[in-house]
Amino acid sequence: DSGVTQTPKHLITATGQRVTLRCSPRSGDLSVYWYQQSLDQGLQFLIQYYNGEERAKGNILERFSAQQFPDLHSELNLSSLELGDSALYFCASSPRTGSGANVLTFGAGSRLTVL
Amino acid sequence: GQQVMQIPQYQHVQEGEDFTTYCNSSTTLSNIQWYKQRPGGHPVFLIQLVKSGEVKKQKRLTFQFGEAKKNSSLHITATQTTDVGTYFCAGIGAGSYQLTFGKGTKLSVIP
Repeated sequence: DSGVTQTPKHLITATGQRVTLRCSPRSGDLSVYWYQQSLDQGLQFLIQYYNGEERAKGNILERFSAQQFPDLHSELNLSSLELGDSALYFCASSPRTGSGANVLTFGAGSRLTVL
Repeated sequence: GQQVMQIPQYQHVQEGEDFTTYCNSSTTLSNIQWYKQRPGGHPVFLIQLVKSGEVKKQKRLTFQFGEAKKNSSLHITATQTTDVGTYFCAGIGAGSYQLTFGKGTKLSVIP
């Protein structure tokens, strides 16, 4: 157990639908990152939050949005789903400061299947 | 934007052979990290290199950071079946805090 909790583990839905993925970071970590991993693909950075504020944005589609709440958990909302959105979505967190401030601890991922 | 290229994409080795994956950045990096993702698992942090020319070892794994801080390598000596997985490098550009991942090298070890 990495300490980063993601729910749900698996999700099957239809095109056009909307889903929410949830992430609780490791205790004490203030930063949350979201990554998308498609089959045999690398890790595509979507977005990063730090202590509730958006810190960096990657190749996140307009149909996707995210937020980090005061208790530091984060949600990734995916709407108007398309077949190509089927992927493994990872959440990661990192410590506040120090030499390990950018070292990521990943959750187990949420596997989304769009039919 | 910053790009991190990783080669090879796939590598099949006989158990006991050595393995190396290479990572190259389009820009100078402040540091580079390596992660391993086992099949069906999530990426797990292995190591971080910060200094130019730095070399670090973890048992059979040797990590190097180039003098220009634009490239890095991971070398595994005498691979074992437990080494199977995808190895990712990830770099942070100088003056940035965004971590950019390479596409990874998928290692298969034939027993």
